Amino acid sequence: QVQLQESGPGLVKPSETLSLTCTVSGGSISSYYWSWIRQPPGKGLEWIGYIYYSGSTNYNPSLKSRVTISVDTSKNQFSLKLSSVTAADTAVYYCARQRPWANGSPPGWFDPWGQGTLVTVSS
Amino acid sequence: SYVLTQPPSVSVAPGQTARITCGGNNIGSKSVHWYQQKPGQAPVLVVYDDSDRPSGIPERFSGSNSGNTATLTISRVEAGDEADYYCQVWDSSSDHPVFGTGTKVTVL
Repeated sequence: QVQLQESGPGLVKPSETLSLTCTVSGGSISSYYWSWIRQPPGKGLEWIGYIYYSGSTNYNPSLKSRVTISVDTSKNQFSLKLSSVTAADTAVYYCARQRPWANGSPPGWFDPWGQGTLVTVSS
Repeated sequence: SYVLTQPPSVSVAPGQTARITCGGNNIGSKSVHWYQQKPGQAPVLVVYDDSDRPSGIPERFSGSNSGNTATLTISRVEAGDEADYYCQVWDSSSDHPVFGTGTKVTVL
């Protein structure tokens, strides 16, 4: 079955850029939306954005000016860059798969999810 | 933007039924998905498209959706059901997903 694994630095300095990669194993990165979702400590889930295997993207408007999501189909990976980070960006970052628009039906549920990686923004 | 409201907490005795609501404007016209998140773990899908269960999810988990409220029902609650639960929909007007505020289920 498909599995997702996040990787990247666990500590980022304020004003710098957070960079994470999600590796997809057990299946192709084609034909799905691949999302980043984050969860600040003790808080709820916030969708950051997704990329389609073709490269098209959709970002949360509240983060859009700072977010870039890219895909490398040859490596079955997709990546997140979040610029100008502050302490408010401290969170567990998850990657997840989502079914895209299909036959007029909107994108569906997130499954599976990666295990998550904690990124702390601190000097 | 579209808002999904959940009660912060629900308490239930073992063997009883827990009902977790997810309120949103005309949510009955949308497909609702539910996730279970245990401490230190990633969310796990427990119900999709209002009332369908992924393979491996016990029949004790069921869902319904009508009007302005969707509900996740956990029957015959067990200690292992203690977790945070989130609802999620796709907001077509903004073209992005929305998560509910989350509900902590405590098994007494």
